[in-house]
Amino acid sequence: AQRVTQPEKLLSVFKGAPVELKCNYSYSGSPELFWYVQYSRQRLQLLLRHISRESIKGFTADLNKGETSFHLKKPFAQEEDSAMYYCALSGHNNDMRFGAGTRLTVKP
Amino acid sequence: DTGVSQDPRHKITKRGQNVTFRCDPISEHNRLYWYRQTLGQGPEFLTYFQNEAQLEKSRLLSDRFSAERPKGSFSTLEIQRTEQGDSAMYLCASSPGSNTIYFGEGSWLTVV
Repeated sequence: AQRVTQPEKLLSVFKGAPVELKCNYSYSGSPELFWYVQYSRQRLQLLLRHISRESIKGFTADLNKGETSFHLKKPFAQEEDSAMYYCALSGHNNDMRFGAGTRLTVKP
Repeated sequence: DTGVSQDPRHKITKRGQNVTFRCDPISEHNRLYWYRQTLGQGPEFLTYFQNEAQLEKSRLLSDRFSAERPKGSFSTLEIQRTEQGDSAMYLCASSPGSNTIYFGEGSWLTVV
């Protein structure tokens, strides 16, 4: 069974500080991993996917198959990064499973 | 707006009544997903269509729930004999087949 765990429900950092949102997964095959973000009063939207290996809005995430993790990182957080972040996994059935989410608050 | 649209956005119903939600995906997206989200939780997978075929259903989808996508375009999610535990946000999403899914704004259901 595929499962996504986000151990932190809440995360608060000051502007300019580094931020890391943790995500661990369990899946027997080769998954695709994603981070989705939901800003206040907006719909859930894709932030980045591991196969793209790109940086979006300064965020990066590396898939670590040994640790089954896909942590989201940004070296210098901005106030506009405050949002709900969801880690998601897509398995061979193409069904997307989400973690419970982490609410990031970036304080001025 | 050519994104995923859902209707109604809000629904209040009495326990025991039936409700139906509609989802219009992005044009030509062949995959369509339904999720349920409650406060403090991430979206929980309910079911998934590839064109008109319903390929997977979660155990969360009891026999009171039924979803259809008759012509491979819009989809409906019906909940029969609603219970208070059905109160949640019902999210629809669609995908062109790339595993990147695009969400609608959701339909809030409150069962009183």
